[in-house]
Amino acid sequence: DADVTQTPRNRITKTGKRIMLECSQTKGHDRMYWYRQDPGLGLRLIYYSFDVKDINKGEISDGYSVSRQAQAKFSLSLESAIPNQTALYFCATSQGYGYTFGSGTRLTVV
Amino acid sequence: GENVEQHPSTLSVQEGDSAVIKCTYSDSASNYFPWYKQELGKRPQLIIDIRSNVGEKKDQRIAVTLNKTAKHFSLHITETQPEDSAVYFCAANGAKAAGNKLTFGGGTRVLVKP
Repeated sequence: DADVTQTPRNRITKTGKRIMLECSQTKGHDRMYWYRQDPGLGLRLIYYSFDVKDINKGEISDGYSVSRQAQAKFSLSLESAIPNQTALYFCATSQGYGYTFGSGTRLTVV
Repeated sequence: GENVEQHPSTLSVQEGDSAVIKCTYSDSASNYFPWYKQELGKRPQLIIDIRSNVGEKKDQRIAVTLNKTAKHFSLHITETQPEDSAVYFCAANGAKAAGNKLTFGGGTRVLVKP
């Protein structure tokens, strides 16, 4: 089935380390997004991309960077992880209106 | 940009009763309003959506209503069941110039008590 796959599913990393979260999709969608979800809070947009050559900051982009390697791949990097980046991270794709979310990456920074 | 507010943040109902979640939005150009359900430890999944050219849409036990004049929309779940326990998110798309990105509400945690 066409889907959105995130790797890793869980990750524990140390403060100051660089870490990359990966997202790949087989839905053929042009648009891809990275969201962060904290306990008790909604989904906050980190970065989004409408095609391979288009990268845009969301509402909470500080401390993060992204790379759109191909239509199907969109990676999120934390250059120097800090504890308050501990959260659940979701990738999503869309073509038009509706979003399809990946299974999420639970990241813990210690 | 678009701002979406969602209430209540938590909702506890008795099995069989109805649940209502309300959202308001700020951008009068918004024309698409989806609702997502996120079960514990899982990804958000679309359960129902409504476009601005209709005022109500129903799918079995769930329905969504939209009041464009007041800029608010609501999710109604009737005859609630334990499997309805989850976090529900409303969303609204932004202006076309901003690519119709969705802005999400803060979520409502629904607990259905047996």
